[in-house]
Amino acid sequence: DVKVTQSSRYLVKRTGEKVFLECVQDMDHENMFWYRQDPGLGLRLIYFSYDVKMKEKGDIPEGYSVSREKKERFSLILESASTNQTSMYLCASSPPGLTIDNEQFFGPGTRLTVL
Amino acid sequence: AQSVSQHNHHVILSEAASLELGCNYSYGGTVNLFWYVQYPGQHLQLLLKYFSGDPLVKGIKGFEAEFIKSKFSFNLRKPSVQWSDTAEYFCAFQAPDDKIIFGKGTRLHILP
Repeated sequence: DVKVTQSSRYLVKRTGEKVFLECVQDMDHENMFWYRQDPGLGLRLIYFSYDVKMKEKGDIPEGYSVSREKKERFSLILESASTNQTSMYLCASSPPGLTIDNEQFFGPGTRLTVL
Repeated sequence: AQSVSQHNHHVILSEAASLELGCNYSYGGTVNLFWYVQYPGQHLQLLLKYFSGDPLVKGIKGFEAEFIKSKFSFNLRKPSVQWSDTAEYFCAFQAPDDKIIFGKGTRLHILP
């Protein structure tokens, strides 16, 4: 049973705090992704990683950074949280390349509220 | 720029009505195409996907989608919806760089 897990389902932080969102996958996937989901805006890609210690900016990387020290773990970091980062954060993983079995698997999401 | 456009933000239907959700993507090369569904309080799950071959793809729960390359479209259909189909639906495509681009979603509300 494939699984992507996220460290917290709900998180409340204060403006200016440093926030870590953790994601772990057990499928040995090379690719991992962080999205944020906002009503009416769909899923927007923040960062993604093709392999350990590799990272690429997505569409909205400002205010975020990531870390991938191990293949199974991809962390999203908010260096100084702001209220406009209140959102649902989704982690996903997928195998590399285009194959007939290619799809992304999603975690349950972390709903972050920044006060 | 690579993008996905979903035609409707919010759709309300009665049970047993037919459904078609429009999706167009903007990319000139080979793509994988997906429809994802998110039921209330649940996480995203794959409804169906197109990789190659028959452009009419059948997914779970009676859903199907048709890939029309000339129109850059991948519309989702279901002949008779149920109350349990109430959810948010996302169209997406994956380009060769492995990035998946999502549309903004369509909220579907089925009246019992």
